Amino acid sequence: DIQMTQSPSSLSASVGDRVTMTCRASQNIRSSLNWYQQKPGKAPKLLIYAVSSLQSGVPSRFSGGGSGTDFTLTISSLQPEDFATYYCQQSYSTPQTFGQGTKVEIK
Amino acid sequence: QVQLQESGPGLVKPSETLSLTCTVSGGSVRSYYWNWLRQTPGKGLEWIAYIYYSGSTNYNPSLKSRVTISVDTSKNQFSLNLTSVTAADTAVYYCATSRNSYGSLFLDFWGQGTLVTVSS
Repeated sequence: DIQMTQSPSSLSASVGDRVTMTCRASQNIRSSLNWYQQKPGKAPKLLIYAVSSLQSGVPSRFSGGGSGTDFTLTISSLQPEDFATYYCQQSYSTPQTFGQGTKVEIK
Repeated sequence: QVQLQESGPGLVKPSETLSLTCTVSGGSVRSYYWNWLRQTPGKGLEWIAYIYYSGSTNYNPSLKSRVTISVDTSKNQFSLNLTSVTAADTAVYYCATSRNSYGSLFLDFWGQGTLVTVSS
């Protein structure tokens, strides 16, 4: 299985901050990398697919980048509704696998 | 917009079969891929399987021997059966759709999730 490692596991930030989190794959996954946001008691919500494509309806303050094995999710100006846990997912090979998550908390 | 709703027992006894159904509205199962996933505090998010409306399937090898996924186009539903369950199968189970674009298969619509507890 391809292992997905996210860092940091949690971070504290203030409204308006620029936040970047990373996701590393254990092997090259080309562009098969997606990002999700999950709030407590809710299902994950797709933010970014194929490394950098913004899902319809997702604010443009979210952006994704990277290639091969190293990927980033950036929130350009953190909003109150962005405090949540973020997961990366690879769909390059079976089984699809997720990172363990980065929890964004209020500073 | 596609909406999904999981249904099924919230409590299953050890060694029995966990059966869940996902009802699709606002779209047809005659397109896209239809997935089951689960989430636990310890193991995080785990993809279980998907089925394409044509019937082709893909399973997580770690669960393949115990899992069956099927689709009923007449009812616009798809289902999960997981046999010989243990406490380790206690989780929130999600159904979700996926599509393929720019070389990535991504999960774009999710059900709200249903907690299934395995206990006698």
